[in-house]
Amino acid sequence: GQNIDQPTEMTATEGAIVQINCTYQTSGFNGLFWYQQHAGEAPTFLSYNVLDGLEEKGRFSSFLSRSKGYSYLLLKELQMKDSASYLCAVKDSNYQLIWGAGTKLIIKP
Amino acid sequence: DAGVTQSPTHLIKTRGQQVTLRCSPKSGHDTVSWYQQALGQGPQFIFQYYEEEERQRGNFPDRFSGHQFPNYSSELNVNALLLGDSALYLCASSLQRGERTEAFFGQGTRLTVV
Repeated sequence: GQNIDQPTEMTATEGAIVQINCTYQTSGFNGLFWYQQHAGEAPTFLSYNVLDGLEEKGRFSSFLSRSKGYSYLLLKELQMKDSASYLCAVKDSNYQLIWGAGTKLIIKP
Repeated sequence: DAGVTQSPTHLIKTRGQQVTLRCSPKSGHDTVSWYQQALGQGPQFIFQYYEEEERQRGNFPDRFSGHQFPNYSSELNVNALLLGDSALYLCASSLQRGERTEAFFGQGTRLTVV
């Protein structure tokens, strides 16, 4: 079966750095996406990785290792507004998005 | 440019009833996917519509059906509602072609079955 694993919840301090990990086992691979979802709202796109390596976009960076079936999202200079759930999703061989359950990130002052 | 719009935003139904949820995709998108998201969980894929046909389907019973219209908008129908159908229903639109086609989500319809 297809599976994506993320930690259920993480806590970090305002101004610090946090890394959210995602491991996946899917039927084929056509890219990995990270989404941010605030409570009661729709997910919004953060990043896309299809090749190995690090993609940097402002305070957020995403890393991919296809051979290890592993990705992480790195958030720097954390702000209170970063408190949200972070969803990892992989496009399989049918271009269908397979979702993880999400990681709830709690930011403390 | 309007993004993905869903209606209604909230809905309360009784067990056994039927419900229809609607979605208009982002301008230029031709593919609509529907997801069910229970509280504290990630979105679960229900099905995807492209060229007015159901192209892919997740692990949902036949009580869940859909339709896509020529203007790419879509409906999700759920028959014989169960209490467990209570969830946030998300619609996402995208382009069928290409790999780097991220999904854009609507705000969702919060369905409560009582």
